[in-house]
Amino acid sequence: AQSVSQHNHHVILSEAASLELGCNYSYGGTVNLFWYVQYPGQHLQLLLKYFSGDPLVKGIKGFEAEFIKSKFSFNLRKPSVQWSDTAEYFCAVNPYNQGGKLIFGQGTELSVKP
Amino acid sequence: GAGVSQSPSNKVTEKGKDVELRCDPISGHTALYWYRQSLGQGLEFLIYFQGNSAPDKSGLPSDRFSAERTGGSVSTLTIQRTQQEDSAVYLCASSQDGVNTEAFFGQGTRLTVV
Repeated sequence: AQSVSQHNHHVILSEAASLELGCNYSYGGTVNLFWYVQYPGQHLQLLLKYFSGDPLVKGIKGFEAEFIKSKFSFNLRKPSVQWSDTAEYFCAVNPYNQGGKLIFGQGTELSVKP
Repeated sequence: GAGVSQSPSNKVTEKGKDVELRCDPISGHTALYWYRQSLGQGLEFLIYFQGNSAPDKSGLPSDRFSAERTGGSVSTLTIQRTQQEDSAVYLCASSQDGVNTEAFFGQGTRLTVV
């Protein structure tokens, strides 16, 4: 079955620390990849997306992610986190030709201490 | 509209009652999705509409769940004979055409079955 695995359930960092959130998926075909963020009390928002081309993609608020096809991974990074990055982060995969359907990871809760 | 709108934002219902959840997608978006977000289950895909037809209903958990979309716009998710395990946040999303496009999410409907 298609699945997405996020390695960390809850991450706690101090401001200015670097962030890397892992995401692996199981699907052998072509995929579109996404990271969504859910700030407390808000709806899911797109952080960044990968459809094709350069495997290093940049998103909003200084986030970036790298698609490594051989590892079926799409890890999210940020060099220096801020208190306002406190949120839940979801990795999602859209298998090609499945009409935009998203398969989500379990989410990673990030807490940034000021 | 400016974004995906869902109503009601909160719904408390008694076990065994039927409920209807509504989604107004972004104007012009042909693809519409329903997801469920619950503790322990994460974000689960329920159903995908392209126009008024539903080519993928694979995520509907039981025959108590149904959805329809009319006029290529508004969608209604109906849960019959609600059970306590149906308690969750039901999220609606829309995308331009369901092909290599990002999905925009609504705020969700929090359903509590008592």
